[in-house]
Amino acid sequence: AQKVTQAQTEISVVEKEDVTLDCVYETRDTTYYLFWYKQPPSGELVFLIRRNSFDEQNEISGRYSWNFQKSTSSFNFTITASQVVDSAVYFCALPSNYNQGGKLIFGQGTELSVKP
Amino acid sequence: GAGVSQSPSNKVTEKGKDVELRCDPISGHTALYWYRQRLGQGLEFLIYFQGNSAPDKSGLPSDRFSAERTGESVSTLTIQRTQQEDSAVYLCASSLVPDGPYEQYFGPGTRLTVT
Repeated sequence: AQKVTQAQTEISVVEKEDVTLDCVYETRDTTYYLFWYKQPPSGELVFLIRRNSFDEQNEISGRYSWNFQKSTSSFNFTITASQVVDSAVYFCALPSNYNQGGKLIFGQGTELSVKP
Repeated sequence: GAGVSQSPSNKVTEKGKDVELRCDPISGHTALYWYRQRLGQGLEFLIYFQGNSAPDKSGLPSDRFSAERTGESVSTLTIQRTQQEDSAVYLCASSLVPDGPYEQYFGPGTRLTVT
């Protein structure tokens, strides 16, 4: 079955600290995609990144980076030099089927609080 | 361009009443999804549309819940005889096509409170 686990319910850091949000997944598919979304206090989910299972290269976008490791079924998200605006709930997600429907299976989310 | 919009943004209703929640997807997106998010929880899939058809309704929690989509555009989620456990934020998302690789774009949600 498709499953996403985000074991960290809440994380609190002080501004400028680096923080890593963990995501572990289970999938029956040999080809699959993984997503990260951000949900700020306003409530609207914002798409951050899509990663396919073919590409295990780490990805960097500004202060954000993602570490995809197929061997450990993990897709972790690191924020470098965190800022107060990074405070949000972050969700990792996996489509239920690679090519049918695409409904997303979400983890429970990690609430990140960045304090000044 | 315009994103996904939902209305109303907030809805307070009495137990037993019916409610309708509306979603306007991004223009040209063939796939439309409804999710529910209870307080402090992750997102729970309800139903998705491909065009005006709903190939997967597996997430609808009971027969009090129904949804339709018309003109391959607007969708309405209807909850009949609302119960207190229906209180949640209902999120709508759309994507270009209903395949795994395509990211879903979410609306701001409708916060439903059943008193």
